[in-house]
Amino acid sequence: EVQLLESGGGLVQPGGSLRLSCAASGFTFSSYAMTWVRQAPGKGLEWVSAISGSGGSTYYADSVKGRVTISRDNSYNTLYLQMNSLRAEDTAVYFCAKQTNSDPGYPCDYWGQGTLVTLSS
Amino acid sequence: DIQMTQSPSTLSASVGDRVTITCRASQSISSWLAWYQQKPGKAPKLLIYKASSLESGVPSRFSGSGSGTEFTLTISSLQPDDFATYYCQQYNSYPCSFGQGTKLEIK
Repeated sequence: EVQLLESGGGLVQPGGSLRLSCAASGFTFSSYAMTWVRQAPGKGLEWVSAISGSGGSTYYADSVKGRVTISRDNSYNTLYLQMNSLRAEDTAVYFCAKQTNSDPGYPCDYWGQGTLVTLSS
Repeated sequence: DIQMTQSPSTLSASVGDRVTITCRASQSISSWLAWYQQKPGKAPKLLIYKASSLESGVPSRFSGSGSGTEFTLTISSLQPDDFATYYCQQYNSYPCSFGQGTKLEIK
């Protein structure tokens, strides 16, 4: 059974940093691209970032480019999202999701339950 | 960047109704479109990929069509479990983008 478990969310001050993790199990992690999608309270889904199965290709939304780094450790079946210079508008539930191919250009067939990041001074 | 626009934003319908949700892309995305269902407090669920391919385990009352810039999601006979918010997503090019969502409510 595919499982994705996010962690690392919490309350952080504007300008601060946070690293989100997503522990994957139930599939060959290195064979699939992974994605982070976020959802602000009461709002729609926003694609944030994606990484290929090998980790060699990464992609970012304009809203986070330069402040966020996606990475993965295929030895530990874990996806990461390092977020720096956080802003109030980064407040959201962050979902990690598995894509249907090693190439990031595919839809997401499994999703975690999300981890909440809240910006507050 | 490609913008995705869904209509309507809210749809009121009854059990047994046939409903259609539209998604328009700001430029051609071929058939690289997915549809997701999301219920409150839950993660999205993939329903349709490549515009018209039904994800395994998804009931056949869900169908998708379209190509280029205009796409539709149709539910042939609404069931109580179908009342949720639906999102389209293009994966033709990065950054991937979602529509703003269509909330399907009980009339």
